[in-house]
Amino acid sequence: GQNIDQPTEMTATEGAIVQINCTYQTSGFNGLFWYQQHAGEAPTFLSYNVLDGLEEKGRFSSFLSRSKGYSYLLLKELQMKDSASYLCAAMDSNYQLIWGAGTKLIIKP
Amino acid sequence: GAVVSQHPSWVICKSGTSVKIECRSLDFQATTMFWYRQFPKQSLMLMATSNEGSKATYEQGVEKDKFLINHASLTLSTLTVTSAHPEDSSFYICSARDLGDRAEQFFGPGTRLTVL
Repeated sequence: GQNIDQPTEMTATEGAIVQINCTYQTSGFNGLFWYQQHAGEAPTFLSYNVLDGLEEKGRFSSFLSRSKGYSYLLLKELQMKDSASYLCAAMDSNYQLIWGAGTKLIIKP
Repeated sequence: GAVVSQHPSWVICKSGTSVKIECRSLDFQATTMFWYRQFPKQSLMLMATSNEGSKATYEQGVEKDKFLINHASLTLSTLTVTSAHPEDSSFYICSARDLGDRAEQFFGPGTRLTVL
């Protein structure tokens, strides 16, 4: 079957660094997405990885290992506004997104 | 670019009535649009995949006669919740995929439906 696993909740301190892990099992693979979702709002796109390695985009970076079925989202210099849910989604061979349940990130001052 | 709009943003209706939600891609053509439902503190749940000019493909457990989807053009898809009941109260989100891009989905802002 197809499955995405990510932690339910994480807590970090303002100004620190946090890594949110995601493992996936899909029928075929066409890339891994990370989305940010604030409460009551729709998800917003953060990153897309289809090749192995690290993609850096400002304070956010995303890593992919296809052989391990593993990705992480790295958030640096955390700000209070980064408090949100972070959704990991893998795209299968039919270009359908398989969604994780999301990781709720709580930032403390 | 790649903006998707939804209308209405929120709606309150009485039990038994029908509600129509529109999803529009404003600056690109979307061959495929997706409809999701999200209950509080839960992840997105795909309801159906809508392809322009053809019938929607519904996920298992989603009643196609209750959730009517129409994708009449490359920029508009509609979801009609028929005979709505309180358990249909949820956050409904659409997303659209660009005609030339099989990867990224662009999300609308969502519609909050409350059925009394």
